[in-house]
Amino acid sequence: DVKVTQSSRYLVKRTGEKVFLECVQDMDHENMFWYRQDPGLGLRLIYFSYDVKMKEKGDIPEGYSVSREKKERFSLILESASTNQTSMYLCASSFYVGLAGADRSYNEQFFGPGTRLTVL
Amino acid sequence: DAKTTQPTSMDCAEGRAANLPCNHSTISGNEYVYWYRQIHSQGPQYIIHGLKNNETNEMASLIITEDRKSSTLILPHATLRDTAVYYCIVRVRNKAAGNKLTFGGGTRVLVKP
Repeated sequence: DVKVTQSSRYLVKRTGEKVFLECVQDMDHENMFWYRQDPGLGLRLIYFSYDVKMKEKGDIPEGYSVSREKKERFSLILESASTNQTSMYLCASSFYVGLAGADRSYNEQFFGPGTRLTVL
Repeated sequence: DAKTTQPTSMDCAEGRAANLPCNHSTISGNEYVYWYRQIHSQGPQYIIHGLKNNETNEMASLIITEDRKSSTLILPHATLRDTAVYYCIVRVRNKAAGNKLTFGGGTRVLVKP
């Protein structure tokens, strides 16, 4: 089974702190994603990465940065945490398949359990 | 990506089939229908996807209407563990789309004993 793990299930930080959220996957997936989930707003993509050292902005990248030094690990960084970054953070990974790919695993994203971050 | 409409919530009796509808009237020809679910305090879980043919796997069946404007996810024998929020997503299936998933409100399904 694919396993996506996140470093913490619950985290409490203070405003202005630098926060690191770690995500590790064990299936050699090329793609990794960071989302945040808030009531009434659904899942919103923060950043994604399709290869080591590659990153692309998602819909709401402001206030966040990411790091992908190794294929299995994708880190989300809050440079200076603010109260509006209190949220559930979800990491996901998937295979990268070209246009010729046809199996069901394409676009099937595997999610971690989430980190509930509270910024006081 | 096309917008989807799902009922906010529905109840289902344990052991019975659960039929979850989804409207996607603006779907375009190259867009697939995906279903995910999210059990409380867990990350979303992929269930099934399809283009125009009906699909079945070990978790569920997906019925897509001929005009592709709506679909139904069927859980054949609902169990208490199927209590979750179910999301219907419509999106293109190519690398240019960036692999992003956009979840709407979903349907909150409660399976009752």
